[in-house]
Amino acid sequence: QPVLTQSPSASASLGASVKLTCTLSSGHSGYVIAWHQQQPEKGPRYLMKLNSDGSHSRGDGIPDRFSGSSSGAERYLTISSLQSEDEADYYCQTWGTGIRVFGGGTKLTVL
Amino acid sequence: EVQLVESGGGLVKPGGSLRLSCAASGFTFSSYSMNWVRQAPGKGLEWVSSISSSSYKDYADSVKGRFTISRDNAKNSLYLQMNSLRAEDTAVYYCARDLSSFYLPEYWGQGTLVTVSS
Repeated sequence: QPVLTQSPSASASLGASVKLTCTLSSGHSGYVIAWHQQQPEKGPRYLMKLNSDGSHSRGDGIPDRFSGSSSGAERYLTISSLQSEDEADYYCQTWGTGIRVFGGGTKLTVL
Repeated sequence: EVQLVESGGGLVKPGGSLRLSCAASGFTFSSYSMNWVRQAPGKGLEWVSSISSSSYKDYADSVKGRFTISRDNAKNSLYLQMNSLRAEDTAVYYCARDLSSFYLPEYWGQGTLVTVSS
C-alpha cells in the first residue's frame, strides 16, 4: 500500500513562491494524488488532482497561483504570489487497494 | 452548487454509539463514491471509511468491526454508524464526495465533532 511523506512545516514570505513536497513510497511512483488545503479552524478544501506526469487539474474556484508538478515519486504543490490566506495546512492524498491514504500534512507559515 | 452537511455529532461515553449523517445536494448523489474522514484535535486527516456508488464498502483498520458506512440514494444521504466508541475516536468527522472516477475527495463538508469521554 502507498505511504505519503510530507515535511511537517514550511515557510515563505508574502508575495513569494513556495514549493511543497509529497513523496510516494517505493514502488508507488506512478500514483495519482490530490492536494488539499485546510485553513485554520476550517474544513479541508480540494486544490487539485496531480498525475505522475505532472499534469494537473484544479478544483472549482482554485486560482492558478496553485500549480502542481511531479518528478519520479515526488509530487509538488507550488503556490506563487503568496497571500496571508495561504497560511494553512496542506495534505496530499492517494489510494490503495481498499484504503485511502493521507500524508501527515505540511504547515505553511506566510512570513 | 455541491453541498455536504454533516450532523449527529456530540458527547458520548466510551462504549457508546452514535450515528452521523451527511445530507448531500447539488449533484447526482447516487453516481458518486463517498467518504468519511476524521481529524483528531491537533492532528492530521485520517481516512475512516468509503462507500462506492454501488455500495461497496471499505474501512480503516482502526474502525473495522465497530463502524458501518451506508447510503440512502433516495434521501441523498450518507451515514456512519459508530459503535463501541473509544476515547481515540474523538475527532471532527468530515463527509467528502469523490472526484468522478477517482478515489480523491473533491468536495468536503464542514464537519461534525464527536467527543468520547466519561
